[in-house]
Amino acid sequence: DIQMTQSPSSLSASVGDRVTITCRASQSIGTYLNWYQQKPGKAPNVLIYGATNLQSGVPSRFSGSGSGTEFTLTISSLQPEDFAIYYCQQSSSSLYTFGQGTKLEIK
Amino acid sequence: QVQLVESGGAVVQPGRSLRVSCAASGFTFSNFNFHWVRQAPGQGLEWVATIWFDGSKTYYPDSVKGRFTISRDNSKNSLYLQMTSLRVEDTAVYFCARAEYGEMGSNWFDPWGQGTLVTVSS
Repeated sequence: DIQMTQSPSSLSASVGDRVTITCRASQSIGTYLNWYQQKPGKAPNVLIYGATNLQSGVPSRFSGSGSGTEFTLTISSLQPEDFAIYYCQQSSSSLYTFGQGTKLEIK
Repeated sequence: QVQLVESGGAVVQPGRSLRVSCAASGFTFSNFNFHWVRQAPGQGLEWVATIWFDGSKTYYPDSVKGRFTISRDNSKNSLYLQMTSLRVEDTAVYFCARAEYGEMGSNWFDPWGQGTLVTVSS
């Protein structure tokens, strides 16, 4: 199975900060990488699919990059509603796997 | 609007069985593949099962293979997850999610239901 590893596991930042979360795959997955945001008590919502494509309705401050085994999610200027947990997911294999999550907290 | 609503979560004893359901509305159910994803309390997301639009193919991780069965009834716009030989570690919120596909074979999960809680405890 393809293992997904996110870093950091948690992150403290302030409103207006630029934040980057990294996701590494145990083998090359091309650009079959998605990012989700989950708020407490809610289902996840997709932010980025195919490594770089912004889901409709998602603010442009979110962006994704990478290919192969290393990927990043960047939030250009943090807003109060962005404090949440972020997960990467590989969709290269029919045996899907998620990263362990990155909790983004208010500093 | 597009909506997925899970139901059937309960408290069950280890070794027993349970079926959870997902009712879909607002789109042509039979055109889409579907997934189940679970989240143990305070933990991350774990993919549990996938079924093709016509039910012809299913996929599972090793953690549930042979114990869980995903199925669907396209005439009822419904998705199911039959869980047998339940273990304490199967305790989680179970989400259903629709498969979406884009260019170059990209695929992702969207939308998700609100989830249903399954608690396995004696």
